[in-house]
Amino acid sequence: NAGVTQTPKFQVLKTGQSMTLQCAQDMNHEYMSWYRQDPGMGLRLIHYSVGAGITDQGEVPNGYNVSRSTTEDFPLRLLSAAPSQTSVYFCASSYDRSSYNEQFFGPGTRLTVL
Amino acid sequence: AQKITQTQPGMFVQEKEAVTLDCTYDTSDQSYGLFWYKQPSSGEMIFLIYQGSYDEQNATEGRYSLNFQKARKSANLVISASQLGDSAMYFCAMRDGGGGADGLTFGKGTHLIIQP
Repeated sequence: NAGVTQTPKFQVLKTGQSMTLQCAQDMNHEYMSWYRQDPGMGLRLIHYSVGAGITDQGEVPNGYNVSRSTTEDFPLRLLSAAPSQTSVYFCASSYDRSSYNEQFFGPGTRLTVL
Repeated sequence: AQKITQTQPGMFVQEKEAVTLDCTYDTSDQSYGLFWYKQPSSGEMIFLIYQGSYDEQNATEGRYSLNFQKARKSANLVISASQLGDSAMYFCAMRDGGGGADGLTFGKGTHLIIQP
């Protein structure tokens, strides 16, 4: 099992550009989520999905879109990048939405917006 | 709303000593899970240990144990016999039982440095 994979590992964008961060998992997990990590902060939830075709907003959703057309993939789209979106982005998955299931994290994508 | 508080931004500990990393939480849910993750300088998030709100015994995983005091709403991580490789950021996190759909709520972390 590859677990949770993310591409790219690093990305530099100019303000106003759009891009998609890719996330895939091969564990047949129902629940997938995106977090961002800023310096001195813990991770904050951007969007999550409890299954294919179902997504919802987390704590900091503005400026991001998600979709979940398959169980395996959960891409995160930046519509018009802003410097405030400079961050490290983590995708995570868990078997389901239960409170006792750990989330498995991808390696992260470091994004810089100039 | 859920909240996780880690009051130790940084800690220096001598190798082979035991370490306690503090975590307090706030939630109105009766059912929830508490997690600790390690983030080394390479950046990945590594799951260490889990404690459920209804678990009567403190969780243990190798050198890691969780000192769970429900009445105090604390879930401190204890690392026994610390090693140089334990140097990393440590995050306490909570997932509530209300479907858990809101994912994990994280604290700001503790930067642990193990000195030889």
